[in-house]
Amino acid sequence: AQSVTQLDSQVPVFEEAPVELRCNYSSSVSVYLFWYVQYPNQGLQLLLKYLSGSTLVKGINGFEAEFNKSQTSFHLRKPSVHISDTAEYFCAVMPNYGQNFVFGPGTRLSVLP
Amino acid sequence: ETGVTQSPTHLIKTRGQQVTLRCSSQSGHNTVSWYQQALGQGPQFIFQYYREEENGRGNFPPRFSGLQFPNYSSELNVNALELDDSALYLCASSPGGKEVAEAFFGQGTRLTVV
Repeated sequence: AQSVTQLDSQVPVFEEAPVELRCNYSSSVSVYLFWYVQYPNQGLQLLLKYLSGSTLVKGINGFEAEFNKSQTSFHLRKPSVHISDTAEYFCAVMPNYGQNFVFGPGTRLSVLP
Repeated sequence: ETGVTQSPTHLIKTRGQQVTLRCSSQSGHNTVSWYQQALGQGPQFIFQYYREEENGRGNFPPRFSGLQFPNYSSELNVNALELDDSALYLCASSPGGKEVAEAFFGQGTRLTVV
């Protein structure tokens, strides 16, 4: 079985400041890793994913994440946030044989002017 | 736009009633997964359909059932609705096998049980 922990339920940050959203996971098998963003009253939009290869993954809207296998982490970073980045962010894993996502509880990012 | 369409977008039901939610998958995708997202929580896996057969199920009771049609669209049925069934229901469309990681989510159906 897999589980995902997002250590911060809420992260307030000022506009143009850097941000890091933390994600740790537990799994007995190799996994794929994902970050999704959810705006109010909307579905999930994929920011980025790690399937294999380079551990530094770049996604949409200037976000990037680094897979650290030894620490079982997949933290999301952005060097300079905008007001429009205010949303809920979900880290997720999927066993590498496929099937379903296991999501973390989410981190609410609030970008302040 | 992901090409995954869910209907209806919102609905209100009374406890004890039955509800059917629908999901149209993206062209070329033969796998549909359903998730329940309670308020303030991450989505929880309900079940997955692959080529019209159930292909995995999460920890949900049998009153949650589903169906996938030959065009790979899908329905989620919930019987004997309870107040705790109030949630956003998301469907994800994907190719089968390991490519299930290439999933796209619909905008969700917000179900309120009163």
